[in-house]
Amino acid sequence: QSALTQPPSASGSPGQSVTISCTGTSSDVGGYDYVSWYQQHPGKAPKLMIYEVSKWPSGVPDRFSGSKSGNTASLTVSGLQAEDEADYYCSSYAGSNTFVFGTGTKVTVL
Amino acid sequence: QLQLQESGPGLVKPSETLSLTCSVSGGSIISSSYYWGWIRQPPGRGLEWIGSVSYSGSTYYNPSLKSRLTISVDTSKTQFSLKLSSVTAADTAVYYCARRGDAYYGRAFDIWGQGTMVTVSS
Repeated sequence: QSALTQPPSASGSPGQSVTISCTGTSSDVGGYDYVSWYQQHPGKAPKLMIYEVSKWPSGVPDRFSGSKSGNTASLTVSGLQAEDEADYYCSSYAGSNTFVFGTGTKVTVL
Repeated sequence: QLQLQESGPGLVKPSETLSLTCSVSGGSIISSSYYWGWIRQPPGRGLEWIGSVSYSGSTYYNPSLKSRLTISVDTSKTQFSLKLSSVTAADTAVYYCARRGDAYYGRAFDIWGQGTMVTVSS
């Protein structure tokens, strides 16, 4: 059970879009539509942003969107705002009630 | 509003057992719609899923930790607990408890505790 692969960093100017990838295998990301994304500000607990690949929990703005193709899931943040600067983690169901997280991506708003 | 709160020692000696409890308030722990889990984050590093428990006591563990791990639930106290034996410095991390809302959030962790830092050191 290896961690899902994410780019270490991503950046964009206010108002622009940034996309983060999350690459796994056919045993996790590619095998199930149970990919979720979490936002974590420094010193804070993670916050659920996207579940089931592309669905929003209540209260999460639709500037955040998710998708999946094969073994790679993606999170796109549109209309970047200063408060979007944070670490982002993907997670996937990996079968038999087990889960795996991504390596994390630091998003910087320039 | 459901809330989770971790508690336990902040310092554990190498080779000893790390024990943490997550107290659930503002809602019931008894529901087939949810699982209760533990996730940890070493300093400056990413998240690692540790394991989950259902209200009925069914447990699911990270294979890399399974031999040292016990997760249990106490519905009378609306708590669930983590025990990790034979700890080393590699187990130093912030430990989070979280709710997994399968029926509503597709196996995602929708509510998290604030986290508690555990350091393994003599």
